[in-house]
Amino acid sequence: NAGVTQTPKFRVLKTGQSMTLLCAQDMNHEYMYWYRQDPGMGLRLIHYSVGEGTTAKGEVPDGYNVSRLKKQNFLLGLESAAPSQTSVYFCASRARGLRTDTQYFGPGTRLTVL
Amino acid sequence: AQSVTQLGSHVSVSEGALVLLRCNYSSSVPPYLFWYVQYPNQGLQLLLKYTSAATLVKGINGFEAEFKKSETSFHLTKPSAHMSDAAEYFCAAANDYKLSFGAGTTVTVRA
Repeated sequence: NAGVTQTPKFRVLKTGQSMTLLCAQDMNHEYMYWYRQDPGMGLRLIHYSVGEGTTAKGEVPDGYNVSRLKKQNFLLGLESAAPSQTSVYFCASRARGLRTDTQYFGPGTRLTVL
Repeated sequence: AQSVTQLGSHVSVSEGALVLLRCNYSSSVPPYLFWYVQYPNQGLQLLLKYTSAATLVKGINGFEAEFKKSETSFHLTKPSAHMSDAAEYFCAAANDYKLSFGAGTTVTVRA
């Protein structure tokens, strides 16, 4: 099993450009998450999904959109990138079940917005 | 909602010395707590988790954590640091099916 994979690994954008980050998991997990990681701030939840066709806002959703058209994929979109969105983005997934169930993380996407 | 606070953004230890990373949670019943490790340029990997089954939780790579309700703490320890323990460590609390992360502690191991 590949677990959680993210595409691309690195990307440089100019202000105002758009892009989509792809997350894929092969563990048949119901729940999927997008986080951003910034120095000294830990991981902050952007959006999440509790099942195919459903999405919800997390802690820092502004400037991002998401879609979960297939159970195994969770897309994060930036419609008009801003320098404040320079960050490392992580996707995670977990099974539907107990609150103690583990979230599994992808390797991350490093995004720079100039 | 549960939240966690990690005391100390950087910890430096000598190889073979004790590693102690501090995490305190906001009081709520019951707390479900996790420790994750992030090696350079990688994603997060679960070290261990507290599920209320036992207050002393053993994880991978020789790490363990003790849940202390009276102190609202879940500190992470390893008796003898190895160079390979150099990484960033995150404490997290479960809020329903979401996690709230602390700011992280970077561990440096000196030879």
